[in-house]
Amino acid sequence: VQLVESGGGLLQPGGSLTLSCAASGITLNDAWMSWVRQAPGRGLEWVGHIKSKADGGTTDYLTAVKGRFAVSRDASENMLYLRMNSLKSEDTAVYHCVMGGHYFGWWGQGTLVTVSS
Amino acid sequence: EIVLTQSPGTLSLSPGERATLSCRASQSVSSYLAWYQQKPGQTPRLLTYDGSNRATGIPDRFGCSGSGTDFTLTISRLEPEDFAVYYCQQYGISPWTFGQGTKVEI
Repeated sequence: VQLVESGGGLLQPGGSLTLSCAASGITLNDAWMSWVRQAPGRGLEWVGHIKSKADGGTTDYLTAVKGRFAVSRDASENMLYLRMNSLKSEDTAVYHCVMGGHYFGWWGQGTLVTVSS
Repeated sequence: EIVLTQSPGTLSLSPGERATLSCRASQSVSSYLAWYQQKPGQTPRLLTYDGSNRATGIPDRFGCSGSGTDFTLTISRLEPEDFAVYYCQQYGISPWTFGQGTKVEI
């Protein structure tokens, strides 16, 4: 399994960004997939997940990002996405694409999102 | 949301010693708890899940126990590569949450 994130960068508060995760070795439609973030020098925080297609493909989110962030996937491209709107300084973190919807066995290296004016 | 409190914050031990890490949940998560190890500059590594199951490839010196609100990760004999930060994570009640981490240092 290999997960490679991209799309991070420096944004101003209120901005929007979409992170991508290219997956190999797994079929994203068949797996629960999550995003987990880690602020610099801080601990881990689950952001959200998307269930496998067989389990309904629904999503769930951390309360602090509900209504602002959205997890989706493109089955044809085997890509996972995290759309982030109305970004805040507290969203600054490395965002990891992770296989699993409950516990997390495979992690991508992550992409850094910095929200600052 | 469920708050996971890990103790101690830092554990100072020597190779060969036994490490006991605690994770306490603010309400019951049944056995839906995992432990991770993270070394500097690396992504977290899953150690255990469902309260007591070791992940693939994890040495048997790592053991975990507990259910409900109190969980323990035990490293029976510390190896030099075990010095790291350890996190617990619950997936019993959404949103899933992590503890703040315990650093095991020499």
